[in-house]
Amino acid sequence: EIVLTQSPATLSLSPGERATLSCGASHSVSNNYLGWYQQKSGLAPRLLIYDSSTRATGIPDRFSGSGSGTDFTLTISRLEPEDFAVYYCQQYGNSPLTFGGGTKVEI
Amino acid sequence: QVQLQQSGPGLVKPSQTLSLTCSISGDSVSSNIASWNWIRQSPSRGLEWLGRTYYRSRWYNDYAPSVKSRITINPDTSKNQFSLQLNSVTPEDTAVYYCGRVYNSNPRGVFDIWGQGTVVTVSS
Repeated sequence: EIVLTQSPATLSLSPGERATLSCGASHSVSNNYLGWYQQKSGLAPRLLIYDSSTRATGIPDRFSGSGSGTDFTLTISRLEPEDFAVYYCQQYGNSPLTFGGGTKVEI
Repeated sequence: QVQLQQSGPGLVKPSQTLSLTCSISGDSVSSNIASWNWIRQSPSRGLEWLGRTYYRSRWYNDYAPSVKSRITINPDTSKNQFSLQLNSVTPEDTAVYYCGRVYNSNPRGVFDIWGQGTVVTVSS
């Protein structure tokens, strides 16, 4: 199975700053089928990005995804107070579906 | 809008069977462009996809290798819901369990709709 490694584990930033989150895959992700989620405490994950770079419905354009093969990035251009949360990547190009361990974006 | 509502016990004894149900509103378990999944989350294992059921002229199931020998996911078309059964549970199966939808003719995809989550503790 594909192992996804997210870095850094924790990102300490201030509102208005730019956040860059990385997701590395142990093998190339087929068709760049990679998604990103945001999770706040006590809630289910919320889909942000699919197919590596396509924003899900209703997601603000300050969120963007990029990358291919084994290296993927989620960028939040200017952090809003509501963006402080844990972010996960997930690959669906290969079976079984797998998730990364998460990056916590904190103030 | 599409909603998933989970139900089931929060406490299961070791060696017994964990059973959860996910009721669908706003979509159909028999949809040809959706798959219906179970995912769990624990501090030790992170987010872990467990399996799915989906209909493409007939019913299909796929399961994660880590639980394949112990898991069953069944659709119930009469109630528009699907269920999870996980046999022979141990404390390692303690987690928050989520149901989720993949909205794509390819059953593999991202989860755009999630249930509210059920905290399941395996303990005597």
